[in-house]
Amino acid sequence: EPEVTQTPSHQVTQMGQEVILRCVPISNHLYFYWYRQILGQKVEFLVSFYNNEISEKSEIFDDQFSVERPDGSNFTLKIRSTKLEDSAMYFCATQASGRANTQYFGPGTRLTVL
Amino acid sequence: SQQGEEDPQALSIQEGENATMNCSYKTSINNLQWYRQNSGRGLVHLILIRSNEREKHSGRLRVTLDTSKKSSSLLITASRAADTASYFCATDPNTGGFKTIFGAGTRLFVKA
Repeated sequence: EPEVTQTPSHQVTQMGQEVILRCVPISNHLYFYWYRQILGQKVEFLVSFYNNEISEKSEIFDDQFSVERPDGSNFTLKIRSTKLEDSAMYFCATQASGRANTQYFGPGTRLTVL
Repeated sequence: SQQGEEDPQALSIQEGENATMNCSYKTSINNLQWYRQNSGRGLVHLILIRSNEREKHSGRLRVTLDTSKKSSSLLITASRAADTASYFCATDPNTGGFKTIFGAGTRLFVKA
């Protein structure tokens, strides 16, 4: 069965550094999402992306965050200047078409900001 | 309160018993989904119910949706130790864009 993959599985960075988290969607999926989950807390929506532009974003997704599909396949989340509170699991999810379809989640990237 | 709140927060049952988890939400929705998460792992999609549906089944899972009460329930019948996980409801609110809002989850522990 096709899977969403994410790299790296674990990223450790210093506060103030930039990080890029990568996601390879399931082929032919058109809708892409990033979520984060702080340890022990609920999954929080960050941003959705469709047709090469942001569809929706949450209050968390401020100017420090950006997303793009640089090569038409990978879907990336960039955090420009990481803060301690950005430490979390970051999940990518992709969806075939339309909002009534299943979102398939990747295994996540654990980001640790020191 | 936030969109998508589950209760109970934690549930401990014996293997073979049924587990019922509830979810309430605030705004109108396009659909509601239930996910499972094993500790520290990714999310596994269990079932999606559209706003015009009232009940769906998938194996040992039964989901109901009451849009008038803005609530949903997930029933797992004949639970197994392997069902031990956190279960989240997630709503797609009727806001125009594509967005999914997760609840805080129910931690289910099934004792063998």
